[in-house]
Amino acid sequence: AQSVTQLDSHVSVSEGTPVLLRCNYSSSYSPSLFWYVQHPNKGLQLLLKYTSAATLVKGINGFEAEFKKSETSFHLTKPSAHMSDAAEYFCVVSDRAQGGKLIFGQGTELSVKP
Amino acid sequence: DTGVSQDPRHKITKRGQNVTFRCDPISEHNRLYWYRQTLGQGPEFLTYFQNEAQLEKSRLLSDRFSAERPKGSFSTLEIQRTEQGDSAMYLCASSLRQGAMNTEAFFGQGTRLTVV
Repeated sequence: AQSVTQLDSHVSVSEGTPVLLRCNYSSSYSPSLFWYVQHPNKGLQLLLKYTSAATLVKGINGFEAEFKKSETSFHLTKPSAHMSDAAEYFCVVSDRAQGGKLIFGQGTELSVKP
Repeated sequence: DTGVSQDPRHKITKRGQNVTFRCDPISEHNRLYWYRQTLGQGPEFLTYFQNEAQLEKSRLLSDRFSAERPKGSFSTLEIQRTEQGDSAMYLCASSLRQGAMNTEAFFGQGTRLTVV
């Protein structure tokens, strides 16, 4: 069975410093992996996706993530945090053995201090 | 196309009443998903459709829950005899399945249900 573990429920950074949100996955098949962001009272928005092409994936708003099969990880990073990055972030796994449905992690709340 | 739309955005109902939510997916998308999200949690999978066929239902989906997608376009999610534990955000998403591959899923803004 596939699953996702987000290692931090809350991360706090200062504006202009790097962001690291950690995610480990478990999948019985070649997974597709995603990061979604959810701002308060807004819908879920796709940040980036990995679907077995390049292991370093670039997304919107300066975010990127690296797929590491040996570590079963898909951590999300950004070199310099902006106040507008404050939101809830979800790591998501999907694999063809499960019909392509999305399985979400518990989420990481990112706070950005001025 | 304006994306995935859900109606209503908010619903307050008394315990024991029935409620129905509607989801209109992106028009060319053949996959449609329903999720439930409670405060502080990630969305939990409920069910999904490929065109009009319901392919999977989660164990979370009790007999009081039913979902339909009669013409392979919009979908409805009905909850009968609502309970306070049904209070949550109900999210709909759609994607395009081509062969063995899915495009990414696009989410609606959700229907927030409060059972009093």
